[in-house]
Amino acid sequence: AQTVTQSQPEMSVQEAETVTLSCTYDTSESDYYLFWYKQPPSRQMILVIRQEAYKQQNATENRFSVNFQKAAKSFSLKISDSQLGDAAMYFCAYTQGGSEKLVFGKGTKLTVNP
Amino acid sequence: DADVTQTPRNRITKTGKRIMLECSQTKGHDRMYWYRQDPGLGLRLIYYSFDVKDINKGEISDGYSVSRQAQAKFSLSLESAIPNQTALYFCATSDAAGGDTDTQYFGPGTRLTVL
Repeated sequence: AQTVTQSQPEMSVQEAETVTLSCTYDTSESDYYLFWYKQPPSRQMILVIRQEAYKQQNATENRFSVNFQKAAKSFSLKISDSQLGDAAMYFCAYTQGGSEKLVFGKGTKLTVNP
Repeated sequence: DADVTQTPRNRITKTGKRIMLECSQTKGHDRMYWYRQDPGLGLRLIYYSFDVKDINKGEISDGYSVSRQAQAKFSLSLESAIPNQTALYFCATSDAAGGDTDTQYFGPGTRLTVL
């Protein structure tokens, strides 16, 4: 079964600095997608970034970028120029192509210090 | 306006009561999902529907039922609520075609407390 592991339960970063959140996953499939979702205190689950496994280029969305290492099954999220509004739980998630099942990691709580 | 809405946003009920959580979407997506989130357990899939005539159980469907009234509406029912169904419930949608298939978009969540 596919699993997603986030080894950092909590992280903190100073405002304007850069932080990297780690995620590893386990799958034997070749067609899959990886995601980072953000859950602020408002509890909304917000899509941050998406990566297709067949694309070698790392996805970026403004201040958010990923380091996708397919062979190592690693998918880390880098947040540059951290802002107070980035404080949230961050969930890494995996889905196999065509599957209904979105597998989540247990999350990393990010604190941004002013 | 939000693309995926859930009602109610918060609900407190008593053991044994029937309760319905509703989800509506304006994204035009075919696929809809219900998840529950518990502290330390992440999100777990309860039911999913790939179109109006297609309903499937997820990993934790016991004690729940669903109804897909239209492409845009997907309701979750607890026939006889019990305290361990206290959780945060999310509806999500995804597109069966297009550029971001396999990407699920979530509603704002419903906080349910069963006393």
